[in-house]
Amino acid sequence: EAGVVQSPRYKIIEKKQPVAFWCNPISGHNTLYWYLQNLGQGPELLIRYENEEAVDDSQLPKDRFSAERLKGVDSTLKIQPAELGDSAVYLCASSVGGSQNIQYFGAGTRLSVL
Amino acid sequence: SQKIEQNSEALNIQEGKTATLTCNYTNYSPAYLQWYRQDPGRGPVFLLLIRENEKEKRKERLKVTFDTTLKQSLFHITASQPADSATYLCALIKAAGNKLTFGGGTRVLVKP
Repeated sequence: EAGVVQSPRYKIIEKKQPVAFWCNPISGHNTLYWYLQNLGQGPELLIRYENEEAVDDSQLPKDRFSAERLKGVDSTLKIQPAELGDSAVYLCASSVGGSQNIQYFGAGTRLSVL
Repeated sequence: SQKIEQNSEALNIQEGKTATLTCNYTNYSPAYLQWYRQDPGRGPVFLLLIRENEKEKRKERLKVTFDTTLKQSLFHITASQPADSATYLCALIKAAGNKLTFGGGTRVLVKP
């Protein structure tokens, strides 16, 4: 069974440029998460989807970040325009939901903004 | 404010010894506590889950304890091996909702 797939693995852009990340969750997982992880820190939730509905986007900086999960399967996270402080690893995770909420993570996209 | 703290200093340990990691939390009433392993350049991988009414959980060489009075979880790796070298993250889930909140992680280095 394939795990959570993210692309690209690495992205280098100049500040003020747009960037997009893609995630394909594990088949059958209705819940999808986007996290941001800075070096030496734990993942921080940006947005959570239940199927195609964003049920928690309170930590998403909506002035420059946007996300979509059309058809409730794969998802795209976009930053426009990117700032230097956006350099980090962006992780996608999925789960079957439920109270225990065991999550399965992709390898992440490492973004460097120059 | 809510806080989850893990020792930010790396834990260096000799192969064969037991590694013990701590996860402390404040202003939080978790229903579940999870531990994940993260290798460089990879996403976290789920290891163990313990419920608020459980004191201890084991899986092979791993043991997790959960003390809701002390607001602390301990994570033990017995008979440690160099392959156990990684960063270990604790994560908490409140009783309501299923948002996972992570600690900063502790890096473990097992020397042969």
